[in-house]
Amino acid sequence: EIVLTQSPGTLSLSPGERATLSCRASRSVYRNYLSWYRQIPGQAPRLLIYGASSRASGVPDRFSGSGSGTDFTLTIDRLAPEDFAVYYCQHYGTSPSISFGQGTRLEIK
Amino acid sequence: EVQLVQSAPELKRPGESLVISCQASGFSFTGHWIGWLRQQPGKGLEWMGIIYPGDSETRYSPSFQGLVTMSADKSIRTAYLQWGSLKASDTAIYYCAKLRFEDNSAFDSWGEGTLVTVSS
Repeated sequence: EIVLTQSPGTLSLSPGERATLSCRASRSVYRNYLSWYRQIPGQAPRLLIYGASSRASGVPDRFSGSGSGTDFTLTIDRLAPEDFAVYYCQHYGTSPSISFGQGTRLEIK
Repeated sequence: EVQLVQSAPELKRPGESLVISCQASGFSFTGHWIGWLRQQPGKGLEWMGIIYPGDSETRYSPSFQGLVTMSADKSIRTAYLQWGSLKASDTAIYYCAKLRFEDNSAFDSWGEGTLVTVSS
């Protein structure tokens, strides 16, 4: 099973700034099937990015994903109030094998 | 509009059984994998398993194999998650979610979650 490690654990930024979140896999992610989710407290997660870099339907273009193999990044430009939440990366592998990172909390500085 | 509507919160005693549900609308229920995910209080997301309602094929995470049972009734577009004997550690929010049709790689629609509390 692939282990996903997210960093940092907590990121403190101000509205309008840029956030850079990292997700590192213990081995290469199958077909770069790496997704990112945002979870606002009290709500279900929402898919932001799939396939490492494709934005899901309705996701603002301030969200972008990059990376391949074992190292992936979620970048959020011009942080909006609703972006202060917890972010998870998730991989999909054969069989299937699905796992999530432990999460990065983005808090207001 | 894609919707996954989950059943109401549950308060159960240890050792009791439980079934929670997830009713789908707005997409082909029999043509998509539906997943179940657990989030314990203050913790992250854990994948439990997926079910294909078209033929009820299931795939369980090794961490949850034998601990829960997934099923589906395609006539009423509803997926189920079942426990035979609950433990306090089963206290969590349980989400159902739909995998993307194109490559099954990500959960693109989620239910609102069902809070299950197990306490004596």
